[in-house]
Amino acid sequence: KNEVEQSPQNLTAQEGEFITINCSYSVGISALHWLQQHPGGGIVSLFMLSSGKKKHGRLIATINIQEKHSSLHITASHPRDSAVYICAVFSNTGNQFYFGTGTSLTVIP
Amino acid sequence: GAGVSQSPRYKVAKRGQDVALRCDPISGHVSLFWYQQALGQGPEFLTYFQNEAQLDKSGLPSDRFFAERPEGSVSTLKIQRTQQEDSAVYLCASSLILAGGGYTGELFFGEGSRLTVL
Repeated sequence: KNEVEQSPQNLTAQEGEFITINCSYSVGISALHWLQQHPGGGIVSLFMLSSGKKKHGRLIATINIQEKHSSLHITASHPRDSAVYICAVFSNTGNQFYFGTGTSLTVIP
Repeated sequence: GAGVSQSPRYKVAKRGQDVALRCDPISGHVSLFWYQQALGQGPEFLTYFQNEAQLDKSGLPSDRFFAERPEGSVSTLKIQRTQQEDSAVYLCASSLILAGGGYTGELFFGEGSRLTVL
């Protein structure tokens, strides 16, 4: 059983398209992260959310605590957005993070 | 340095060999996490330290895996008698947690140590 489920697993988009990646989780959380991992690269934290919505450039992240669901949106996608996007939640009943398996995004010029 | 530093970046070991992977977290970060990431998978939790205390080691896959953080800063993940299934990227992450608990910090990852067991 996965505490964090992401969809889709793989996503291919044309440059300029609006992209949505979804994350659902089953545990109580104190924070949710959206992470970005480029091929062969390290992991970078894009957002940390505990409620509502955050925006950074072309990236928008939302969270609905009641529904235990978060979305990451990319507006005007660009080939440099190609990466794996990982949702991770910090459990409020334990001292650990649970990670989704990631969404592999490819943006074609 | 300003970020989480891991070494070695790449390690090739013969089956049965012991390996040690080092993580140097961001200065002042109380919490330190180790993860194992197999090819094409998301990170899997191994163990968690708050300062020098190992609060959760439930993710360590076997008693061949051992982690320590004796002075509450640098941490070492040791794998004894390595097996081929241990081949993975081992990620370290650190964050700042306020005294008294409650997670509020950003999570910062190192570049990872890629272990290949032949």
